[in-house]
Amino acid sequence: KQEVTQIPAALSVPEGENLVLNCSFTDSAIYNLQWFRQDPGKGLTSLLLIQSSQREQTSGRLNASLDKSSGRSTLYIAASQPGDSATYLCAVKAAGNKLTFGGGTRVLVKP
Amino acid sequence: KAGVTQTPRYLIKTRGQQVTLSCSPISGHRSVSWYQQTPGQGLQFLFEYFSETQRNKGNFPGRFSGRQFSNSRSEMNVSTLELGDSALYLCASSLACWGCNEKLFFGSGTQLSVL
Repeated sequence: KQEVTQIPAALSVPEGENLVLNCSFTDSAIYNLQWFRQDPGKGLTSLLLIQSSQREQTSGRLNASLDKSSGRSTLYIAASQPGDSATYLCAVKAAGNKLTFGGGTRVLVKP
Repeated sequence: KAGVTQTPRYLIKTRGQQVTLSCSPISGHRSVSWYQQTPGQGLQFLFEYFSETQRNKGNFPGRFSGRQFSNSRSEMNVSTLELGDSALYLCASSLACWGCNEKLFFGSGTQLSVL
């Protein structure tokens, strides 16, 4: 059974600092991994999707890496801003087309 | 292009009642999946529908059911509500075609409170 873990559960950084969010999964037989952002009481917004054959994806200040062999993905957010405050979740898609989510990392960027 | 629309936004029910939630996917998206989000259990996969057929199912009791219509709109039904069913119910849509962008697009969710 696939298990996805995100550590730490919460993170607080001053504005301008780079953010590093971690995601680990137990079964490396995945199709893809997605990073999402969720604001309180809202749905999820897809940030980046990495296919199993890829090592990283970039979009603006966001960069996500994937190491299937070690079961890890890292989301980097450069030069954090208060607007980046949210919960970030990773999810892996595996056999059966099922998505398994991590518990999320709640991020607070202080002005 | 309109995003994923979920109705209603909030719902209050009492134990034993049943509830139906609705989800309209992005135009052209054929796959709709449902998730339950609670503070204790996080986000859990309920089921996925593709072309009016349930393609995958999570580990939820039979009280949770769903369907998809020919226009890809989907409904989720929960019968005999329990206090533990209080949660944010999210639906997501995707293209689900070979070689397509597989990104999931989520609705804002339905917040269900069972009293």
